[in-house]
Amino acid sequence: DAGVIQSPRHEVTEMGQEVTLRCKPISGHDYLFWYRQTMMRGLELLIYFNNNVPIDDSGMPEDRFSAKMPNASFSTLKIQPSEPRDSAVYFCASSRGNEQYFGPGTRLTVT
Amino acid sequence: GDSVTQMEGPVTLSEEAFLTINCTYTATGYPSLFWYVQYPGEGLQLLLKATKADDKGSNKGFEATYRKETTSFHLEKGSVQVSDSAVYFCARYGGSQGNLIFGKGTKLSVKP
Repeated sequence: DAGVIQSPRHEVTEMGQEVTLRCKPISGHDYLFWYRQTMMRGLELLIYFNNNVPIDDSGMPEDRFSAKMPNASFSTLKIQPSEPRDSAVYFCASSRGNEQYFGPGTRLTVT
Repeated sequence: GDSVTQMEGPVTLSEEAFLTINCTYTATGYPSLFWYVQYPGEGLQLLLKATKADDKGSNKGFEATYRKETTSFHLEKGSVQVSDSAVYFCARYGGSQGNLIFGKGTKLSVKP
């Protein structure tokens, strides 16, 4: 298996623009997680899905952030409008059972 | 609430030194426990795990033993290498919620 796939790997955008991050989980995994990692806050869980249904979105920082999982093989995290403080590395992870497998991350820079 | 506490870094060691990174958890019951490692510029990778009390997880020379008496899961390695320089995260399974609860991470730097 190719592992968790994230795109793009790097994204540079201007403040106010819409940003969409994409994730393809490992086939057969029924949980999908979105995390954000910064130097200041460390690793934060934003939202996670079970069988494509959002279970807990309490970590989503504000209404500018939204996530969808239209099917078992694809999820998006959208930020609209983006702000400089959203600059971070965003990780997607998937699991079946209690082990999570992380993607390589998307490094987002908002100028 | 349920949490994971690990020692704050950074930890700086010389090559071939002994490593211990402390981790304690709070939980009801006996959740599965994990150590993840994050090398520079990469995502987190599972390093080892233990699923029940007294289990010892091991991988790449690293070991950790599930101690229910002290609710601990300390990471150890007898002789570190420069290539072990990374951030190490302790985690416990969230149970029925399906998520993992991570510690804040400990940065390890190994000097030649």
